[in-house]
Amino acid sequence: DAGVTQSPTHLIKTRGQQVTLRCSPKSGHDTVSWYQQALGQGPQFIFQYYEEEERQRGNFPDRFSGHQFPNYSSELNVNALLLGDSALYLCASSLTPTDTQYFGPGTRLTVL
Amino acid sequence: QQQVKQSPQSLIVQKGGISIINCAYENTAFDYFPWYQQFPGKGPALLIAIRPDVSEKKEGRFTISFNKSAKQFSLHIMDSQPGDSATYFCAARMWTGANNLFFGTGTRLTVIP
Repeated sequence: DAGVTQSPTHLIKTRGQQVTLRCSPKSGHDTVSWYQQALGQGPQFIFQYYEEEERQRGNFPDRFSGHQFPNYSSELNVNALLLGDSALYLCASSLTPTDTQYFGPGTRLTVL
Repeated sequence: QQQVKQSPQSLIVQKGGISIINCAYENTAFDYFPWYQQFPGKGPALLIAIRPDVSEKKEGRFTISFNKSAKQFSLHIMDSQPGDSATYFCAARMWTGANNLFFGTGTRLTVIP
């Protein structure tokens, strides 16, 4: 049984560009959450998707947007990249919106 | 504002010793407290979790102690092993219609053989 998978593993962008990160949830999971983990910090909640809708959002600007597809996979989009967006972006999936979250390995984004 | 405060930032323990990591919170709306273990280059993996109506939960060598009145909880790792060397995060969930986890800043544990 595959766990949560994320792509790409690493990504390098320049300031002002846009980026799309992808996540496939664990089999049977229908809820996906995204987190940003800056170096040396704990993950910070960006938003959660369930039934193809954004259910909750953390303290992140509108430059961060997402999407969930009918197969429950999800994308995180970040526009107008800033140097401060450099971080590990983690996707977590759960059976339902209230269940335990299982994390993927993350996508390391570097903004130059 | 850090919703969950974690200490120490780093911890060095001899093999066979007890590792203790502490966390504190203020918001009484938190209803679920998981601990995650993260190895370099990997995502966090759930280790053990507790709800506030329970004062202690044990799974193998890992124990969570929870003090609701003090708004504190801690992770104890008994018989610590070199393979336990990792970064540990406490977290707290605020149920607001989504599974929003607030993480501590992490404790880097090193177990010396």
